[in-house]
Amino acid sequence: QKEVEQNSGPLSVPEGAIASLNCTYSDRGSQSFFWYRQYSGKSPELIMSIYSNGDKEDGRFTAQLNKASQYVSLLIRDSQPSDSATYLCAVNSGGGADGLTFGKGTHLIIQP
Amino acid sequence: ETGVTQTPRHLVMGMTNKKSLKCEQHLGHNAMYWYKQSAKKPLELMFVYSLEERVENNSVPSRFSPECPNSSHLFLHLHTLQPEDSALYLCASSQDDRGLETQYFGPGTRLLVL
Repeated sequence: QKEVEQNSGPLSVPEGAIASLNCTYSDRGSQSFFWYRQYSGKSPELIMSIYSNGDKEDGRFTAQLNKASQYVSLLIRDSQPSDSATYLCAVNSGGGADGLTFGKGTHLIIQP
Repeated sequence: ETGVTQTPRHLVMGMTNKKSLKCEQHLGHNAMYWYKQSAKKPLELMFVYSLEERVENNSVPSRFSPECPNSSHLFLHLHTLQPEDSALYLCASSQDDRGLETQYFGPGTRLLVL
């Protein structure tokens, strides 16, 4: 049974600070990792994808992957109130058509 | 239209009704997916289609019946549903079936079963 674990929160961060979201996964063979943002009542939208160990930066967002520790994180710099949402970690083991295994998501609140 | 579209956006049905959810992707992708999102639970994969062939069925009850007539369209036929089937049903698509590509989601159908 593939599992993806996230702290459900809520995680409250002051505006302008760095928000740090964490995720662990059980399938050591996992090959691709995604962070989705989901606003209430909306569908998930892709924030970042990462495939190899290390950091990947895109604007205010940085994804970090450590396959040895089976850990992936998302950092949001200069947090804005519009970043308030649920952040879903998703993992795909690859090797053929497959869906994503999602965590329950972390509810992030950016306080003005 | 661009991206992934779903209709209807909201649906209320009785337990004896038959209805269908429709998904269309305008991205030229070859793989399409149905997910279920219930309150307080993670997104659950239901079905995967690759090049119009079903490649995965995640132990979904037979009251849910998928159909993929071509690589751009995906349906979910519903019959004799239960109240616990009330959820947000999301369609997604990806470029190919290698399982490594980003999946893009439609807006979802909010289903309420009475």
